[in-house]
Amino acid sequence: DTGVSQNPRHKITKRGQNVTFRCDPISEHNRLYWYRQTLGQGPEFLTYFQNEAQLEKSRLLSDRFSAERPKGSFSTLEIQRTEQGDSAMYLCASSWGQGARYFGPGTRLTVL
Amino acid sequence: AQTVTQSQPEMSVQEAETVTLSCTYDTSESDYYLFWYKQPPSRQMILVIRQEAYKQQNATENRFSVNFQKAAKSFSLKISDSQLGDAAMYFCAYRSAEGTYKYIFGTGTRLKVLA
Repeated sequence: DTGVSQNPRHKITKRGQNVTFRCDPISEHNRLYWYRQTLGQGPEFLTYFQNEAQLEKSRLLSDRFSAERPKGSFSTLEIQRTEQGDSAMYLCASSWGQGARYFGPGTRLTVL
Repeated sequence: AQTVTQSQPEMSVQEAETVTLSCTYDTSESDYYLFWYKQPPSRQMILVIRQEAYKQQNATENRFSVNFQKAAKSFSLKISDSQLGDAAMYFCAYRSAEGTYKYIFGTGTRLKVLA
């Protein structure tokens, strides 16, 4: 068990480009969560999956954001037409049921 | 809507001393969970301690303990015998016991440990 992994760790992109992040949860975990953390703030909830079903989405998740977890294992978060306000750390976490939630190291996005 | 407030942006403590980090929250729910997470520089968040609202007994994990005051909606973290490795951002988080599974985090407290 290597914990939650996220790739890439850093991404620099130009405004208007699309980006995709990947999260690999702990293998037996059925729940997966995405959060966004901006400088000086705590993480903000974006969305949550139980297995492959996306059960909850925050209002923060605009139409430019989409998340998938196609086989109930890894998940991807895509941001289309990136804006400078999208610059943040994107965190993924996983858990088995309501057990302890384990966070990944995050993907830091910088939009120029 | 629930809110979590951490009013101390930064705290310092001498090595081997004790420090208390404050957290208050607002909710109309009676059943919920509270957490303290630690985020070391450039490293991932890890769970420090967890408290169920229905439990009156304060949670303890080795050098870490909480003072949970449900009526006052206060949830402070006490770190005893502080170590250099305790230096990190500490986040307080709230989760409802039903319905949503999202955590609501405070803005964090940066803890510095002085040698």
